Amino acid sequence: NAGVTQTPKFQVLKTGQSMTLQCAQDMNHNSMYWYRQDPGMGLRLIYYSASEGTTDKGEVPNGYNVSRLNKREFSLRLESAAPSQTSVYFCASSLTTGGDQPQHFGDGTRLSIL
Amino acid sequence: QKEVEQNSGPLSVPEGAIASLNCTYSDRGSQSFFWYRQYSGKSPELIMSIYSNGDKEDGRFTAQLNKASQYVSLLIRDSQPSDSATYLCAVRGDYGQNFVFGPGTRLSVLP
Repeated sequence: NAGVTQTPKFQVLKTGQSMTLQCAQDMNHNSMYWYRQDPGMGLRLIYYSASEGTTDKGEVPNGYNVSRLNKREFSLRLESAAPSQTSVYFCASSLTTGGDQPQHFGDGTRLSIL
Repeated sequence: QKEVEQNSGPLSVPEGAIASLNCTYSDRGSQSFFWYRQYSGKSPELIMSIYSNGDKEDGRFTAQLNKASQYVSLLIRDSQPSDSATYLCAVRGDYGQNFVFGPGTRLSVLP
C-alpha cells in the first residue's frame, strides 16, 4: 500500500523561482494537510483541506498556495521562493479532521532555496 | 495560541530501561492525543493515540493521560537501541480541525 506519496523527494531552487509540491493519497481520506518542519520548531501547519473542494489556512500560510485537485491529490505551490522557505515539507491525510482520526504522513520533500 | 510543550532532550536511557516522555498542552478543551515517532530523515509514524484519562497499553508502549493536569506521557518499557528517535506529541482541540504538534523529544537508547 502506497499510503501518502509526495513528489519530488528533493529539490533545490533559486530565490524567486516557483514550484509545486505534489501529494496523493490512496486511503480514501477526506482531509489532507501540508506541514513544514524546521529544526527545533516541530511541525507547523501551512494549509489544510478538510474535504474535497475546501482549503483553509494554517499557522504559516504566507508565501504558499494550495489546490485540492480531487479527493486524492493536494498540491502546494511556492510562487516566488525565498531562502526562509528552505525546509522539509510533509503532506498528511486523515479520514476526517475531527474526532479520533490520526494523520498519516508522506515521506517528505526536502527543499533548499539558494 | 494553543501550545504543546515537550522537553527537547536528548533523553538518554540504557538498553532495557523504561523511557518516560512527557508532554503538556495549553488548550483545556483538547480531546484527542497522539504520539508519533520520527527517525532521523524520515517522516512521523503513529505509535499510539489516547482519548480518555488513564493508561492505554500497546505492547511495550503505554500512553498516560491526565486531562485535569493537561499532561500526557509515553512510557517505553524494555527500551531498545531501535527506539532511538524523536517522539512527537500531537494534540487535537475540542472543535476537531487540526493537530498542534510539540517540538519533539529526542530519545537515545544506549546499548
